[in-house]
Amino acid sequence: AQTVTQSQPEMSVQEAETVTLSCTYDTSESDYYLFWYKQPPSRQMILVIRQEAYKQQNATENRFSVNFQKAAKSFSLKISDSQLGDAAMYFCAYRSASAGGTSYGKLTFGQGTILTVHP
Amino acid sequence: DAGVIQSPRHEVTEMGQEVTLRCKPISGHNSLFWYRQTMMRGLELLIYFNNNVPIDDSGMPEDRFSAKMPNASFSTLKIQPSEPRDSAVYFCASSLRDTAYNEQFFGPGTRLTVL
Repeated sequence: AQTVTQSQPEMSVQEAETVTLSCTYDTSESDYYLFWYKQPPSRQMILVIRQEAYKQQNATENRFSVNFQKAAKSFSLKISDSQLGDAAMYFCAYRSASAGGTSYGKLTFGQGTILTVHP
Repeated sequence: DAGVIQSPRHEVTEMGQEVTLRCKPISGHNSLFWYRQTMMRGLELLIYFNNNVPIDDSGMPEDRFSAKMPNASFSTLKIQPSEPRDSAVYFCASSLRDTAYNEQFFGPGTRLTVL
């Protein structure tokens, strides 16, 4: 079974600074997707960014970018120019892209990292 | 689009009572997912449907939990009888298709408290 680990329960950053959230995962599959979701206090889950495992190029969405290291099974999220609205719980998630995979349909989430942004 | 709609937003009930959570997926989406979020176990998938058919219910905790999707625009998650350990936030999510690429859009969740 796949597992996702976020080793930082909490992180903080000053407004306008850069912060990196860590995520590692364990899988024997070669074809999968990785995601970062944001959960603000409203508890709404919002997709921040996604990465396809077969793509070597790191995904970027405006101020959000990832560092995907497939061999190391690492998938970190970098938030540049942090804003107060970035304060939230961030979840790393894995989804198999293999139709016969045991976790094909589901997102497997890490435990989350609480990000605090200081003005 | 209104997004995924869940009701109720909050539910407080007593142990032993039946609880029904409701979800309306985004129109046109073919896949629907039920997740549960607790402090101890984090976010975990309970069950998911594709074209109204349950595909994977391996995450359903026990027989007290049941889920149905009678049509493409409605799903229910029922707990009978409820227990205090069922207290959690239950999320419904939907996606256009049952492929890994497709984003799962989450509803606002139902916070369930079982006394």
